[in-house]
Amino acid sequence: GNSVTQMEGPVTLSEEAFLTINCTYTATGYPSLFWYVQYPGEGLQLLLKATKADDKGSNKGFEATYRKETTSFHLEKGSVQVSDSAVYFCALEMGGYNKLIFGAGTRLAVHP
Amino acid sequence: DTAVSQTPKYLVTQMGNDKSIKCEQNLGHDTMYWYKQDSKKFLKIMFSYNNKELIINETVPNRFSPKSPDKAHLNLHINSLELGDSAVYFCASSSGSSNSPLHFGNGTRLTVT
Repeated sequence: GNSVTQMEGPVTLSEEAFLTINCTYTATGYPSLFWYVQYPGEGLQLLLKATKADDKGSNKGFEATYRKETTSFHLEKGSVQVSDSAVYFCALEMGGYNKLIFGAGTRLAVHP
Repeated sequence: DTAVSQTPKYLVTQMGNDKSIKCEQNLGHDTMYWYKQDSKKFLKIMFSYNNKELIINETVPNRFSPKSPDKAHLNLHINSLELGDSAVYFCASSSGSSNSPLHFGNGTRLTVT
């Protein structure tokens, strides 16, 4: 079946460090891929998405590239801020109706 | 002007009770969802309705019954609550078109004692 695997957290970084959160997927076909972010006490918000191979999604300094050959969608940011501390979820969509399959989430903690 | 609002925010109850969680969206979306997030933050879809019709029904115990009186509301009723039902339940909505983003509510933390 379809699934998403993310690196386990927590990821702890100092402010201005480089961030990578790994995400790989298994799917029968060509899914759309998403990163959602969940700040403490809130619901998830869409961070970025890519709908086909080699597409790059970007938002708020975060980027992820849809790599079909490695079935990956790793999230990167060049310089993290304390305000980026949150849980990040990789997800895929297949079959319509926006049915998302989420990874387990990766908690990011950024220290000043 | 909250887009997706769910009530209550916290719900503490005893095993065997019946409880409901309400959700409303003012985005004009046609599709609404219920997701369950367990203690390890793992999120799993439970149900989805499109314009009041059930379109996704994952393997969920039939103690859980969603109800959509209109396309702006999707409520979740849970009968005979069990300890394992303790989780955060998120309501979400979307336009329903492919790749459109989901808009989530802030969650309802259910604790069954």
